[in-house]
Amino acid sequence: SAVISQKPSRDICQRGTSLTIQCQVDSQVTMMFWYRQQPGQSLTLIATANQGSEATYESGFVIDKFPISRPNLTFSTLTVSNMSPEDSSIYLCSVDASGSSGNEQFFGPGTRLTVL
Amino acid sequence: AQSVSQHNHHVILSEAASLELGCNYSYGGTVNLFWYVQYPGQHLQLLLKYFSGDPLVKGIKGFEAEFIKSKFSFNLRKPSVQWSDTAEYFCAVIQTDSWGKLQFGAGTQVVVTP
Repeated sequence: SAVISQKPSRDICQRGTSLTIQCQVDSQVTMMFWYRQQPGQSLTLIATANQGSEATYESGFVIDKFPISRPNLTFSTLTVSNMSPEDSSIYLCSVDASGSSGNEQFFGPGTRLTVL
Repeated sequence: AQSVSQHNHHVILSEAASLELGCNYSYGGTVNLFWYVQYPGQHLQLLLKYFSGDPLVKGIKGFEAEFIKSKFSFNLRKPSVQWSDTAEYFCAVIQTDSWGKLQFGAGTQVVVTP
């Protein structure tokens, strides 16, 4: 298993600003993922962040809006840039601790973002 | 388009009632299947998973799910619910060649009344 923490747990931000969310894992993992959960909706994968390579973004998400860093095997950041009220969501990171595809993912507690 | 469908968005039932939540997916290849639960104010956590073998899998807290390949379904069941089962339940699917791209259903909010 893996224990994941995220900072901040919640924030209220002004339109046009940026917020960087941190994700810390208690063990080294290859695959980390960032998800968005908009109000009343399910989780949507934003991107896959593997250490040593560029993040891979899903359709509808771009690096300029959601830049991701993955400096080592236990840490990643997601930045929500030039925010608008439509970016108000819960942002979650997850990890696949198995090292191979298709296994259980462990989720962080999420960062609840409100954009005014 | 590939998708994961959960049949009910909101379920209300009394304690001791039986629960069944439907989940269907549209992927044609080999998949791994999951049910996650999110209790109020808590992290998403895994209830159970199916990778291969016996299609009837048992998870935590008395939950079980049955994989029916011919129906592309992975329904969740619990014979007798408790008030503490009040939560949101998510079905999720990974195609085994998709490198961790977990696709979630819309979720079902379950409310158990005392």
